[in-house]
Amino acid sequence: DAGITQSPRHKVTETGTPVTLRCHQTENHRYMYWYRQDPGHGLRLIHYSYGVKDTDKGEVSDGYSVSRSKTEDFLLTLESATSSQTSVYFCAITGNEGAEQYFGPGTRLTVT
Amino acid sequence: GIQVEQSPPDLILQEGANSTLRCNFSDSVNNLQWFHQNPWGQLINLFYIPSGTKQNGRLSATTVATERYSLLYISSSQTTDSGVYFCAADRASGAGSYQLTFGKGTKLSVIP
Repeated sequence: DAGITQSPRHKVTETGTPVTLRCHQTENHRYMYWYRQDPGHGLRLIHYSYGVKDTDKGEVSDGYSVSRSKTEDFLLTLESATSSQTSVYFCAITGNEGAEQYFGPGTRLTVT
Repeated sequence: GIQVEQSPPDLILQEGANSTLRCNFSDSVNNLQWFHQNPWGQLINLFYIPSGTKQNGRLSATTVATERYSLLYISSSQTTDSGVYFCAADRASGAGSYQLTFGKGTKLSVIP
């Protein structure tokens, strides 16, 4: 199994509060991704990173920001959480160009 | 962006039966992957298969890139095969973004 962990695994927060989710990998892989999974929509890409301090937007990036100060860590921040951001968030990594993508265990976020 | 469509959306099988899942994509791809999400939510990479055929135990996959489809075959199904199967593709744009677009999945239920 790829060495990917996510923290926290579950979180309940109130509307308007900031939230940061962490993805940590031990594989030294270059590419890291954040997805959200919602019923009826499958998995949708939020942001991705192609190296330290190199990030770009995905399909559903509004309301989210990311940072990658170290190869092993990719942070997803909701500056002011809204109920529409209630979802399951997955981190993924891939090493070589075009190679397999591996997923972390997911974080279930509920915004009340 | 690229469109990825999977069929059927739902499938119920008797244990021991065989099945074929289909993935159609709207553009040329340089990256095509199949994933299995188990009932506990974990996403597992099954195949990286932008073209050709691969086999792994009871599972095999074929991608016909020129006709823009991929098939996942499950033989002698077991209850542990239950879950959702996702196809994901990255357009062969040459831009090197390595962003996967996911289909909405096929939910497979294998009954004893």
